[in-house]
Amino acid sequence: QKEVEQNSGPLSVPEGAIASLNCTYSDRVSQSFFWYRQYSGKSPELIMSIYSNGDKEDGRFTAQLNKASQYVSLLIRDSQPSDSATYLCAVSPLFYNNNDMRFGAGTRLTVKP
Amino acid sequence: DGGITQSPKYLFRKEGQNVTLSCEQNLNHDAMYWYRQDPGQGLRLIYYSQIVNDFQKGDIAEGYSVSREKKESFPLTVTSAQKNPTAFYLCASSPPDARSYEQYFGPGTRLTVT
Repeated sequence: QKEVEQNSGPLSVPEGAIASLNCTYSDRVSQSFFWYRQYSGKSPELIMSIYSNGDKEDGRFTAQLNKASQYVSLLIRDSQPSDSATYLCAVSPLFYNNNDMRFGAGTRLTVKP
Repeated sequence: DGGITQSPKYLFRKEGQNVTLSCEQNLNHDAMYWYRQDPGQGLRLIYYSQIVNDFQKGDIAEGYSVSREKKESFPLTVTSAQKNPTAFYLCASSPPDARSYEQYFGPGTRLTVT
């Protein structure tokens, strides 16, 4: 079983819709959770981090964490074509000196005008 | 401007040659990391360093070597012992404060070995 699982996609949504990206993880002691956005041919860019159960909102992005279900998700409201990218979920058992971060393979999102 | 730089952006080498990838940061970050990204796979940790003159192996260190002689620099050498060196290599760093769990990536080096 992979440590961090994501649907590879592609996930296609129309412009203006809500895109929902999901991630499950296997290590119950995980403490830190991150979403990175990666445009084709570029490096990952940190867009959200979440550490406690519930929702965390930042602009059009909302991260949701449910530790009991070992599930973390990213919602993108009012999706734009510029949101088209691969979204990587990352999970770590640590709060500091994060040398044990595990990445999913990513979900490719396409937002159609 | 503060940031993480990696050079070169693209690198081509013949099989059997060692090659060194550069990673520099001027963010005053203590921790630095090297990852490898292959198509359809998550990032995998090669080496990391928490402080100068100290570094530790990650999950896939075989065939790679690093040094950390300066806080700003963490070069990665891909040796001829690495069986599948063609990949996208990413360097990352973490700030020294309470956000040290966050990692920020450089632009990456795409290495092709033929």
